[in-house]
Amino acid sequence: DADVTQTPRNRITKTGKRIMLECSQTKGHDRMYWYRQDPGLGLQLIYYSFDVKDINKGEISDGYSVSRQAQAKFSLSLESAIPNQTALYFCATSEPIRDEQFFGPGTRLTVL
Amino acid sequence: DQQVKQNSPSLSVQEGRISILNCDYTNSMFDYFLWYKKYPAEGPTFLISISSIKDKNEDGRFTVFLNKSAKHLSLHIVPSQPGDSAVYFCAASEMNRDDKIIFGKGTRLHILP
Repeated sequence: DADVTQTPRNRITKTGKRIMLECSQTKGHDRMYWYRQDPGLGLQLIYYSFDVKDINKGEISDGYSVSRQAQAKFSLSLESAIPNQTALYFCATSEPIRDEQFFGPGTRLTVL
Repeated sequence: DQQVKQNSPSLSVQEGRISILNCDYTNSMFDYFLWYKKYPAEGPTFLISISSIKDKNEDGRFTVFLNKSAKHLSLHIVPSQPGDSAVYFCAASEMNRDDKIIFGKGTRLHILP
């Protein structure tokens, strides 16, 4: 079983709709992250959380919100989706030491 | 303002030869560097890392070199294999900050038969 899972894997929605992307992990890591990948732009950090009570904005948080429901769950919401939020979204986890991040398989979101 | 730059969007290398992927950074406070590999329809996976106290780290066919004075690092893959065809992301972080990792835009590596 995958250590970091994301649901849904693909989603098509319309402008103005509210969308929630969910991330769950079984690695027992305290730190969780949401990234966005656009073609040719690498991975951009949206929000990150170092524990259940800690939420921090990343590089491109406007238009997004997050909720850390438990150590294992970190969800990303688009309150009112717009077409330029069409992208690949990745969740990641890490331990609070200088170590690599473990990524989920990604969610492909299309906003029409 | 890009702090981590991968100036080659793509690279083609013959199977069996050496692949060299380059990365430049602008923030002299970065002290930990990572390479990730990404296949289509999958999330990135960690490949290799290097701390700024070292100038080389080797793991099997993969070696990362760090030149702090030039703010440059490179990933060498020897010998290149078909399964190495993927997008490679360079990333950097700063120890005394909040451990956020800054990613480059990626380089797509094609291994030619």
